[in-house]
Amino acid sequence: QKEVEQNSGPLSVPEGAIASLNCTYSDRGSQSFFWYRQYSGKSPELIMFIYSNGDKEDGRFTAQLNKASQYVSLLIRDSQPSDSATYLCAPQAGGTSYGKLTFGQGTILTVHP
Amino acid sequence: SAVISQKPSRDICQRGTSLTIQCQVDSQVTMMFWYRQQPGQSLTLIATANQGSEATYESGFVIDKFPISRPNLTFSTLTVSNMSPEDSSIYLCSAGPGLNTEAFFGQGTRLTVV
Repeated sequence: QKEVEQNSGPLSVPEGAIASLNCTYSDRGSQSFFWYRQYSGKSPELIMFIYSNGDKEDGRFTAQLNKASQYVSLLIRDSQPSDSATYLCAPQAGGTSYGKLTFGQGTILTVHP
Repeated sequence: SAVISQKPSRDICQRGTSLTIQCQVDSQVTMMFWYRQQPGQSLTLIATANQGSEATYESGFVIDKFPISRPNLTFSTLTVSNMSPEDSSIYLCSAGPGLNTEAFFGQGTRLTVV
């Protein structure tokens, strides 16, 4: 089992729709959970992070965390073509591995007009 | 948020040579990490750069191949030694995360080994 698994893509949604990106993780000691967006040829850009169970909203983005289910998701409302990118889920380790991020394989999102 | 300057942004190197990548953060940070992103792949952690002590390497990465320095809380270097075409990747420096705070990345170094 991979440490971090993201829903296989590519994911294609029409402009204005909600894009749902999912991520499960195996390390129960994970402290915080980060979502990054990466455009082709660019470095990862932080979208948001969450560390408490429940929802966290920031503009068009909502992160949801369920530590009991070891599940984190990212919803993008009113998707725009500029949201087309690879989205990376990264739990942050705790304990002796504190600070390390383990990245999922990424989900490629395409928003078509 | 921290601003991270990484250089060079890209380089083309001959096999058998070494390249040192520099990472400068605009504020003191406790945690600094180096990641590798191979073509078409996600990010893989190479090592944790520890200030004042030897870096902590992940499985599959060794100090002889990827020596790392961290002389202070704002600066680190990664050297890719005795390069081969398999080392062609993007190398990324990261500052943080701390406790419930963000992790930021430099713009990356795109390395091509010929």
